[in-house]
Amino acid sequence: KQEVTQIPAALSVPEGENLVLNCSFTDSAIYNLQWFRQDPGKGLTSLLLIQSSQREQTSGRLNASLDKSSGRSTLYIAASQPGDSATYLCAVRRGTDKLIFGTGTRLQVFP
Amino acid sequence: EAGVTQFPSHSVIEKGQTVTLRCDPISGHDNLYWYRRVMGKEIKFLLHFVKESKQDESGMPNNRFLAERTGGTYSTLKVQPAELEDSGVYFCASSVNRGQETQYFGPGTRLLVL
Repeated sequence: KQEVTQIPAALSVPEGENLVLNCSFTDSAIYNLQWFRQDPGKGLTSLLLIQSSQREQTSGRLNASLDKSSGRSTLYIAASQPGDSATYLCAVRRGTDKLIFGTGTRLQVFP
Repeated sequence: EAGVTQFPSHSVIEKGQTVTLRCDPISGHDNLYWYRRVMGKEIKFLLHFVKESKQDESGMPNNRFLAERTGGTYSTLKVQPAELEDSGVYFCASSVNRGQETQYFGPGTRLLVL
């Protein structure tokens, strides 16, 4: 059974810091991995999608890496801003279409 | 392009009542998914439609939950009768194709059963 874990559960940092959020999964036979952002009371916004054959994806200040063999992904946020404050979720997809989510990392960036 | 929309945004009902949630996927998306998050837990898959057919309903918790997607457009998720443990946030997502596609999520319906 696939399990997805995110560490840390919560993180509070001053503006400008570079951050690393971690996601680990127990079954390496994944199809792809997706990082989402959720703002309070809002839905999920897709940030990055990494296919199983890829090692990383970048979008602006965000970089996500995938090491399928070790069951790990990291989301790197450069030069964090208060607007980055949100809950970050990773989700893996196996052969079926459903996503299996981690419990999330709640990030607060203070000025 | 309009995103995934869900209605209502919030619902408060009493135990034993019926509630129907609606999801309108992005136009042209054949794949529609329902997920939910109960308090303190991770988001979990409920079911997946391809057009009007149920492709995977392995996540449906019990027979009090009924999902439909008539005509392959919008979908409804009915809970009857609602129980306290059904409280949570119900998300809908859609994608163009299966497999490698990004799933786009709606804002969710917050359900509270008293």
